[in-house]
Amino acid sequence: RKEVEQDPGPFNVPEGATVAFNCTYSNSASQSFFWYRQDCRKEPKLLMSVYSSGNEDGRFTAQLNRASQYISLLIRDSKLSDSATYLCVVNARADSNYQLIWGAGTKLIIKP
Amino acid sequence: DVKVTQSSRYLVKRTGEKVFLECVQDMDHENMFWYRQDPGLGLRLIYFSYDVKMKEKGDIPEGYSVSREKKERFSLILESASTNQTSMYLCASSRTMAGYNEQFFGPGTRLTVL
Repeated sequence: RKEVEQDPGPFNVPEGATVAFNCTYSNSASQSFFWYRQDCRKEPKLLMSVYSSGNEDGRFTAQLNRASQYISLLIRDSKLSDSATYLCVVNARADSNYQLIWGAGTKLIIKP
Repeated sequence: DVKVTQSSRYLVKRTGEKVFLECVQDMDHENMFWYRQDPGLGLRLIYFSYDVKMKEKGDIPEGYSVSREKKERFSLILESASTNQTSMYLCASSRTMAGYNEQFFGPGTRLTVL
């Protein structure tokens, strides 16, 4: 089993719709969780950190479910500019609080 | 704004050549990282450095070495390039080593080894 798993997609979604991604992780001792966004042929950039209580940033909501070991990202009222690959990142090593494990990413395509 | 730059966007080398990839950051970050990104595999850590002249192996260090002689510069060296090292190479930096710190990435170097 991969340490961090994501559905590769692509998710094809009409503009204005709500879309949600999940990401599962294997190490129950993980403490830090993030969503990064990567545009085509560009570098990853931090979208948001994921806090235990869940957090929201405009149209984006991130949630953590420790019992089931997954994090989620919800995008409301999707825009064409949301088209990108979304990378789930977890500090998945109990013996290393600085080494991050990256999911392979979920590709999102927003259609007009 | 944090800026991380990489010496080349695209590079084509032949099998057996020695390859140098350079990365420079301008935010006085302590920590720097080299990843490779391949389709379906996500980013995999090759090496990282938490201080000048310090380096640690990541998940896939075989066939690579690194150098950090100055705080702002972190170099990745492919001692003898092989075709399975064809990949996108991404450099990143972060303020501290703690897992909750944002990593800032350079634009990447797409390396093709023929």
